[in-house]
Amino acid sequence: NAGVTQTPKFQVLKTGQSMTLQCAQDMNHEYMSWYRQDPGMGLRLIHYSVGAGITDQGEVPNGYNVSRSTTEDFPLRLLSAAPSQTSVYFCASGGGWDTEAFFGQGTRLTVV
Amino acid sequence: AQSVTQPDIHITVSEGASLELRCNYSYGATPYLFWYVQSPGQGLQLLLKYFSGDTLVQGIKGFEAEFKRSQSSFNLRKPSVHWSDAAEYFCAVARYSGGGADGLTFGKGTHLIIQP
Repeated sequence: NAGVTQTPKFQVLKTGQSMTLQCAQDMNHEYMSWYRQDPGMGLRLIHYSVGAGITDQGEVPNGYNVSRSTTEDFPLRLLSAAPSQTSVYFCASGGGWDTEAFFGQGTRLTVV
Repeated sequence: AQSVTQPDIHITVSEGASLELRCNYSYGATPYLFWYVQSPGQGLQLLLKYFSGDTLVQGIKGFEAEFKRSQSSFNLRKPSVHWSDAAEYFCAVARYSGGGADGLTFGKGTHLIIQP
């Protein structure tokens, strides 16, 4: 009973490098989303998806890309990492309308 | 745009004492409201949610929250805290655009410290 699985758990990148944060869910939720958590800022929505092939921007989308080719997977891509993207990233499954959002364990990303 | 304010950044409570964490929201229509808890190094776990109906909602781990429309508040309470309740607590409101739900807006969190 995995729920929401995020990989990797930790990552260090150099400025300008690219990478993909993986997120997979096994609850058959149509709705998935990505948040970043910074000290004293709470969680802020980056991108979300309401189903395969459909994505949209959240509150802080700049510097990030997403795609949704399957119901299960919702990867987050950093095209050219910047120190300002140092953060903890959480993927959530569910949460559209009145349903509960289930969160992964997070990916702690450091950009140097 | 929706917003959530958690006025208390840190709260210290003695073990066995009662707890109230404050949350105020800004939203034009009837809000969907949530409280989440985050233990150190962990993801977020839903404590309780309010969608409609009874304004006093019960959650897991002995928590409850009361929705007060007149005060735009959704405060979290627990009658007697345990050391294991030490964590970060987030209040959130569902976001909606013209096309439907588009995620959650979170408060900045309240860090709960339990004194022995």
